[in-house]
Amino acid sequence: DAEITQSPRHKITETGRQVTLACHQTWNHNNMFWYRQDLGHGLRLIHYSYGVQDTNKGEVSDGYSVSRSNTEDLPLTLESAASSQTSVYFCASSVQSGGTEAFFGQGTRLTVV
Amino acid sequence: AQSVTQPDIHITVSEGASLELRCNYSYGATPYLFWYVQSPGQGLQLLLKYFSGDTLVQGIKGFEAEFKRSQSSFNLRKPSVHWSDAAEYFCAVGPGVNFGNEKLTFGTGTRLTIIP
Repeated sequence: DAEITQSPRHKITETGRQVTLACHQTWNHNNMFWYRQDLGHGLRLIHYSYGVQDTNKGEVSDGYSVSRSNTEDLPLTLESAASSQTSVYFCASSVQSGGTEAFFGQGTRLTVV
Repeated sequence: AQSVTQPDIHITVSEGASLELRCNYSYGATPYLFWYVQSPGQGLQLLLKYFSGDTLVQGIKGFEAEFKRSQSSFNLRKPSVHWSDAAEYFCAVGPGVNFGNEKLTFGTGTRLTIIP
């Protein structure tokens, strides 16, 4: 069955370190998204991609970057981790047509100490 | 810019009672509307979606939602809740069919607690 997987599921890192969270989908979806989930804020969009070599900033993109070298993967990199980036991160994907649902991964809980 | 408001942060309902979770959106055109559910430690699962047509949409797990354009609302309902419905519920809005933009904007969520 097609799916979307995130790794690792949990990570603890130190302030200032570079961290990369992986997202891999086998749906062959063109659209991929990264959200962070924080209490009181719901899900906020970090970066998104509509296809290979396409990346765009979301509403909370500072300190994060993504690259899209193939259809299946959209890794999220924290350039220099900060305590404010402690959060649960969700990757999602969707078909590139009007209004289709997004499928979500299980999430990665990142703690920056 | 599109936005979503879920005015209830936390709702407690007795098992077997009816449920209504509120969602109000702001968008300049006809939006796409979604309800997602998140069980503890899990990702988000789609409950139902509205694109056009019948304003009352049916979803999985016995949920339904009604789109009311005049009130800019898309409230989620269930006639009789089960203990397994305890979760976090998110309303989301996306652009309509005239746009190529597929981004979703989420509300802050409503946590549902079920008491025996």
